[in-house]
Amino acid sequence: GQQLNQSPQSMFIQEGEDVSMNCTSSSIFNTWLWYKQDPGEGPVLLIALYKAGELTSNGRLTAQFGITRKDSFLNISASIPSDVGIYFCAGQLTTGFQKLVFGTGTRLLVSP
Amino acid sequence: GAVVSQHPSWVICKSGTSVKIECRSLDFQATTMFWYRQFPKQSLMLMATSNEGSKATYEQGVEKDKFLINHASLTLSTLTVTSAHPEDSSFYICSAAPGLLPNTGELFFGEGSRLTVL
Repeated sequence: GQQLNQSPQSMFIQEGEDVSMNCTSSSIFNTWLWYKQDPGEGPVLLIALYKAGELTSNGRLTAQFGITRKDSFLNISASIPSDVGIYFCAGQLTTGFQKLVFGTGTRLLVSP
Repeated sequence: GAVVSQHPSWVICKSGTSVKIECRSLDFQATTMFWYRQFPKQSLMLMATSNEGSKATYEQGVEKDKFLINHASLTLSTLTVTSAHPEDSSFYICSAAPGLLPNTGELFFGEGSRLTVL
């Protein structure tokens, strides 16, 4: 199945550092979503983006919907140990009711 | 709000048996639910789209006779893995979209069900 290219694949940072990850696609999406998944659990929605160029924040998280509608990034500021997990981007294609395509994931480790 | 629950959270079965996994939307009605499969250290791969009152739509490469989906009500979809084999061992996750709200694209996920076939 189709997947979005997400980078980096993994990150190991110190507590307090900022983190940035991005997602790219060859297809145009009309919605971008960012999820976090803890081990053995389902993904939890962090941020949803609906318009090209949109910049949205949720606490220490900031995400942007790329102008070309083919990419998005997620920033986490002042990371804390509970930020550990796998972050997935997901895109909703312009065709296909609510059907999501997921990124390959970014595994984040935070050292206290 | 927007809570999706799966049951069981984990199951171990013998090869050749069938296993049913339930997905419920607890506080909203969902005309559409989605079933994903996730192998260790990999991303979520969509298996099928479950539509209330009609047949599910399967993604390319997913055997519909192997993975039976039933969406009999607006709050329940079930996935049955028939004649399970060790290669079917995986983490199965469902998601649902509130059917009475505009299509915001937001999907809410269940906790996942880990299937291990011996």
